[in-house]
Amino acid sequence: EDKVVQSPLSLVVHEGDTVTLNCSYEVTNFRSLLWYKQEKKAPTFLFMLTSSGIEKKSGRLSSILDKKELFSILNITATQTGDSAIYLCAVRPIDAGNNRKLIWGLGTSLAVNP
Amino acid sequence: ETGVTQSPTHLIKTRGQQVTLRCSSQSGHNTVSWYQQALGQGPQFIFQYYREEENGRGNFPPRFSGLQFPNYSSELNVNALELDDSALYLCASSHLWRDGADYGYTFGSGTRLTVV
Repeated sequence: EDKVVQSPLSLVVHEGDTVTLNCSYEVTNFRSLLWYKQEKKAPTFLFMLTSSGIEKKSGRLSSILDKKELFSILNITATQTGDSAIYLCAVRPIDAGNNRKLIWGLGTSLAVNP
Repeated sequence: ETGVTQSPTHLIKTRGQQVTLRCSSQSGHNTVSWYQQALGQGPQFIFQYYREEENGRGNFPPRFSGLQFPNYSSELNVNALELDDSALYLCASSHLWRDGADYGYTFGSGTRLTVV
């Protein structure tokens, strides 16, 4: 059965710290891996990764994919209280029926204390 | 500000009742997917609609049904509500090309359903 596992489930850090969030997956016919940030309701898109070894970067956030070892990491440097959220990882498989189902992890709850 | 809007934002229903949740897709998108997110869990795929037809379904019973309209907005209907149906219901719109590629997977802010 396809699955996505995120770790840690919960993390508490101080402002200025650097954090690394992990996402490992076992998915048949991998197409892409996506990272989302969920603060209150709507998950907001962060990154989509399809190729190994190519770092995606947006400000203090960066992410990279390893398709050989089947995982991705999301790094946040110089954390701020506004980074407090649940970070979700999802994998999209290639599906012959064009089913765009995403397989989600449980998320990592990040709390950044001032 | 997200281009996908959902209504209502919060809803309380009693067990056995029926509920309809609504989602308007972002302009230029032709596909809507619905997800159920229980507290402390990742979203679970319910189903997806493409050009007014169901285009895939997760492990949800038939009492979960949906519609997509010509303007690509969508409804999620749940009959015979159970306590376990209490969750955040998210919809996401995207544009699906004929070759199977898609883009713009954008979520709405969700509807919080509580069944008592």
